[in-house]
Amino acid sequence: KAGVTQTPRYLIKTRGQQVTLSCSPISGHRSVSWYQQTPGQGLQFLFEYFSETQRNKGNFPGRFSGRQFSNSRSEMNVSTLELGDSALYLCASSLGVGDYGYTFGSGTRLTVV
Amino acid sequence: QKEVEQDPGPLSVPEGAIVSLNCTYSNSAFQYFMWYRQYSRKGPELLMYTYSSGNKEDGRFTAQVDKSSKYISLFIRDSQPSDSATYLCAMSGPYDKVIFGPGTSLSVIP
Repeated sequence: KAGVTQTPRYLIKTRGQQVTLSCSPISGHRSVSWYQQTPGQGLQFLFEYFSETQRNKGNFPGRFSGRQFSNSRSEMNVSTLELGDSALYLCASSLGVGDYGYTFGSGTRLTVV
Repeated sequence: QKEVEQDPGPLSVPEGAIVSLNCTYSNSAFQYFMWYRQYSRKGPELLMYTYSSGNKEDGRFTAQVDKSSKYISLFIRDSQPSDSATYLCAMSGPYDKVIFGPGTSLSVIP
């Protein structure tokens, strides 16, 4: 079966711009979580969605937002990009609440210049 | 103090060795414990998923959880060059976000 699909794979943006990243979970998975991965901070939790509702949120500024659609696909948006937002953004899906066996996508590599 | 601590390595072992990877944590609410493997330019891949204390074995991999000591381990037997990757521990409380350790880089030398 198809895995978790993240698009695009690579992005280069300029400071001050905004960006939208997309994640299509495994068919039947209803929970989607987003993480930011950097060499210095490792995997940092951004947010988790289930049935179009945000269930958990990490300690990121309000410039980071997300949503989930009725088909479980999810998007995250970063507005007013800063150089420090350069990172690998990973999406993970699972069956639902209480299922911690995540399947990750390959990520979107965002570079802010 | 970070919620989850993990020796970053790098750890280098000869092929066939037994590898021990460890994490400590501070949050006593954690009940679910996972180990992920991440190859370069890929997303993490789930290796082991355990609930509460005890051992779980899957092929060459054994996961151990000691909740009283807030300590978890992953053992890899008969290590192979294909095991060379970064290993991430992860944990969560009930219905809470999953927190990841910083990862340990492992190289298995043929």
